[in-house]
Amino acid sequence: EDQVTQSPEALRLQEGESSSLNCSYTVSGLRGLFWYRQDPGKGPEFLFTLYSAGEEKEKERLKATLTKKESFLHITAPKPEDSATYLCAVQPTNFGNEKLTFGTGTRLTIIP
Amino acid sequence: NAGVTQTPKFQVLKTGQSMTLQCAQDMNHEYMSWYRQDPGMGLRLIHYSVGAGITDQGEVPNGYNVSRSTTEDFPLRLLSAAPSQTSVYFCASSYGAGSYTFGSGTRLTVV
Repeated sequence: EDQVTQSPEALRLQEGESSSLNCSYTVSGLRGLFWYRQDPGKGPEFLFTLYSAGEEKEKERLKATLTKKESFLHITAPKPEDSATYLCAVQPTNFGNEKLTFGTGTRLTIIP
Repeated sequence: NAGVTQTPKFQVLKTGQSMTLQCAQDMNHEYMSWYRQDPGMGLRLIHYSVGAGITDQGEVPNGYNVSRSTTEDFPLRLLSAAPSQTSVYFCASSYGAGSYTFGSGTRLTVV
């Protein structure tokens, strides 16, 4: 059974204090790993797709990396507007594009 | 370009009532899905569709029905609401690369 575990559950940082969020996964075959951002009362918003170990993607203050067992979302010099819940999801090869298995998320709070 | 539109945003049902959650997308996406989000459990797939006329079950399909008569619309029907179906429901669509666009959700309470 596919599993995604995210840590920590919650993280509070001072503005400008860099850190990383972890996503550990177990999947029979990985088609893709996805990062989403979710603001309170809204639907998840797509950030990145990673397909193979060693791959990295960047967007503004965010950088996502992938190994064979986990992914990290690095946040550099965060600002208060980066506060959100960050979700990780995997897409197995045996299910095509139909199914994502999500973790429970990391709730990030950036304190001004 | 509205993306994925869900209605209603909020709904309260009595146990045993039925209702339909509406979902429409204007991006001509083939793939559409319904997820529910519960505290501490993450998003779980209810039903999905890979194109008009084609639907299948996800992880938690019991108590829900779907149909896909057009590319744009993918309604979710609750047959006989139960308190266990209290949740936030999200509809999502994708052109096939797995990067889904989500709607803003329907918050459902069953009393």
